[in-house]
Order: sequence, then structure tokens, then C-alpha cells
Amino acid sequence: EPEVTQTPSHQVTQMGQEVILRCVPISNHLYFYWYRQILGQKVEFLVSFYNNEISEKSEIFDDQFSVERPDGSNFTLKIRSTKLEDSAMYFCASLQGLYETQYFGPGTRLLVL
Amino acid sequence: AQTVTQSQPEMSVQEAETVTLSCTYDTSESDYYLFWYKQPPSRQMILVIRQEAYKQQNATENRFSVNFQKAAKSFSLKISDSQLGDAAMYFCAYFPQGGSEKLVFGKGMKLTVNP
Repeated sequence: EPEVTQTPSHQVTQMGQEVILRCVPISNHLYFYWYRQILGQKVEFLVSFYNNEISEKSEIFDDQFSVERPDGSNFTLKIRSTKLEDSAMYFCASLQGLYETQYFGPGTRLLVL
Repeated sequence: AQTVTQSQPEMSVQEAETVTLSCTYDTSESDYYLFWYKQPPSRQMILVIRQEAYKQQNATENRFSVNFQKAAKSFSLKISDSQLGDAAMYFCAYFPQGGSEKLVFGKGMKLTVNP
């Protein structure tokens, strides 16, 4: 069964460093998402991406964040200058069409020291 | 704005028994989807069940079923014959049909299954 994959599974970084989180969505999916979950809290929407552009972003998704689909398979989330409060689990999700179901990757656990 | 409320932060159930997890939501939309996702200790988000708002019939997936009450904006999950592997966080989520594409999650509920 096709699945969303994410790398790395864990990342530890120093405050102020740049990180890139990678996702490979399911191949025939058209809509891509990043969500984050701070430990013990609910899952929060960050950004959605369709047709090679951001379609919606939350107030969390400030200028420190960017997304890119550099080729036909990868979907990346970049955090330019990490802060302590960026420590969270980051989930990628993809969707074939708006009447379908979002499938989540296994997540990347980011720890900012 | 749409909101999803899971008022019970924790529940426990005996193995083989039945448990019901509650969820309410608020929306002015008439067409939408509702989901239950399971998050085990590995923290992966796993789809449990999905309900389309236009369908009157409640969704079922093996031991999992929902009680969807559209007028009351209620969407509860029933787990029958609970198994140890059902222990996890359970998140209720709302997805509008058209407009915003994002899933809106509740705060989650921790289910413990006692042997």
C-alpha cells in the first residue's frame, strides 16, 4: 500500500540553525500539507500546497518557514533560523483530491537546543 | 472558524469491552468530512475511520464504528472488543468540502486498555 514517507525521523539542531524536513507524498496525490504537534498538544496546521504554490498557511507559518516541491516527488519544509519553540513533531500529509482522505507520514521529531 | 472539541482527556477500558469516545464540532458548513485518527506511542497518525457529512449511514470499519449526529454536531467513535493495541491517543478531525483545505483537530483523548 502506498504511504507517505518522511526523513529524517529525528533531528536535533542548535537554535538559530536551518533545518530542512523532507517528505515524499503518495505518488498520485495532488495536495500536500505540513502539520506540527508540540509534545502533549493537538496537531496544528501549518501550510497547504497545491499546483506548485502555497494555497493556505496558518499564523504559525511565518517568514522563518518555507516549503518547496523541488522535483516530482519530494516536498520539503525549511525552517531558516530555528527557535526553541519550534521543537515539535512535524507531519507531512498528502491528499489525492479534496473529496479524499489525508494520509500522514510517520513524522519528524525536531528538537531545538 | 471551525472548532473540534474532545471534552474527555483520558479514558480507560477493559480488554474485550466496548468504549465510546466523544467529539463535537462547530461549523456553519453543510458539507464536510469527519475523521478519527489514532496516534500510538510511536506518534504516527493513523486513520481509523472517516464519515462524509452527506451520508446518513454511520461509517464502520471492523471493530470501529461511529455515531454521527449531524444536527447535534456530534461524532463519537465506538471501539468494540477493545484490544491492548488500541491503546493510543485518539484525535477527532474535521475537514471542509471546499474552501479551506486544512484538517482541524481536537485536543485528543488518551485511551488506556487494561488487561
